[in-house]
Amino acid sequence: AQKVTQAQTEISVVEKEDVTLDCVYETRDTTYYLFWYKQPPSGELVFLIRRNSFDEQNEISGRYSWNFQKSTSSFNFTITASQVVDSAVYFCALSDANAGGTSYGKLTFGQGTILTVHP
Amino acid sequence: DGGITQSPKYLFRKEGQNVTLSCEQNLNHDAMYWYRQDPGQGLRLIYYSQIVNDFQKGDIAEGYSVSREKKESFPLTVTSAQKNPTAFYLCASSIDLETNYGYTFGSGTRLTVV
Repeated sequence: AQKVTQAQTEISVVEKEDVTLDCVYETRDTTYYLFWYKQPPSGELVFLIRRNSFDEQNEISGRYSWNFQKSTSSFNFTITASQVVDSAVYFCALSDANAGGTSYGKLTFGQGTILTVHP
Repeated sequence: DGGITQSPKYLFRKEGQNVTLSCEQNLNHDAMYWYRQDPGQGLRLIYYSQIVNDFQKGDIAEGYSVSREKKESFPLTVTSAQKNPTAFYLCASSIDLETNYGYTFGSGTRLTVV
């Protein structure tokens, strides 16, 4: 069975601090996809990134960066110079995939990390 | 703009009553999903559908029912058999069940049993 663990339930930082959200996953599949979503107070989940299991390159998008390490089954998310608008719940998710590399589309979510950025 | 519309945003239900949550999408997506969110537990899959007139149970389907009569619509009924229905319910869609570019989510319905 697939499992995603976000060990940090809540994180509180002061604006401009860097913060890393941890994500550890379990799967028997060799091909899979990992995601991060942001849930602001409005409730709607916003897609941040998708990464497939064959691409271990780190990715940077503005103040956001992601570190994918298959050896430790981790897909951590770092926000550099955090801002108040980053306050939200962040979810890591995992999707299995068939042998062809496409995905079955069903996501398994972690418990979420509540990030609060104080001014 | 394309997107997913969930209604109502807040819903109150008396114990023993069935209630239906609406989910409509205009993204022309084939696959649709219902998730339940509880504090500290993340999102759990209730039902999903990959095509009209077809749907499958997710991890916590007991006490829920769905229908998919139209591609655009995937309503969820919370029945009186659901023992703890108070939660935040999220509907999502994706292009299909096999192309994984992630989901588009609705803004959710918060259901409270009174």
